[in-house]
Amino acid sequence: KQEVTQIPAALSVPEGENLVLNCSFTDSAIYNLQWFRQDPGKGLTSLLLIQSSQREQTSGRLNASLDKSSGRSTLYIAASQPGDSATYLCAVRLGNSGGSNYKLTFGKGTLLTVNP
Amino acid sequence: DGGITQSPKYLFRKEGQNVTLSCEQNLNHDAMYWYRQDPGQGLRLIYYSQIVNDFQKGDIAEGYSVSREKKESFPLTVTSAQKNPTAFYLCASSLQREYEQYFGPGTRLTVT
Repeated sequence: KQEVTQIPAALSVPEGENLVLNCSFTDSAIYNLQWFRQDPGKGLTSLLLIQSSQREQTSGRLNASLDKSSGRSTLYIAASQPGDSATYLCAVRLGNSGGSNYKLTFGKGTLLTVNP
Repeated sequence: DGGITQSPKYLFRKEGQNVTLSCEQNLNHDAMYWYRQDPGQGLRLIYYSQIVNDFQKGDIAEGYSVSREKKESFPLTVTSAQKNPTAFYLCASSLQREYEQYFGPGTRLTVT
């Protein structure tokens, strides 16, 4: 059974700092990995999707990396801003061909606070 | 303006009543999903539909039912058999099952 862990559970940084959020998963046979942002009381916003064949994806100040063999992904946020404050969720999709690659397994998230 | 809509945003019900949560998408996506989110837990999959008139149980389907009569719509009914229905419910869709998932704004259900 795939398990996804996100460390730390909460992180507080001053504005302007670069930071890294971590995601680890137990089954390395993944199809892809998706990073989301969730603001309080809101739905999830997709940030980046990394396919299993890719090592990293970039969007603006965000960079996500994937090391399948070690079961890890990181989300790097450059020059953090107060508007980046939110919960960041990592989700993994298994890669087996048995028909279950629809399913995303989510971590519990990292609550990020960027202080002005 | 493409996206996923969920209604209502807040829903209150008495114990023992069934309640239906709405989810509509105009993204022309084939696959749709229902998740439940509880404090301190990751999202958990309730039901999944790959195409119209087809759906499969997720990890926590007991006490829930769905229908998929139209591509755009995937309503979720929370029945009285669901033992702990108070939660935040999220609907999602993807072009096909292995593609990027997009989420709606969620419905917060409170049952007393």
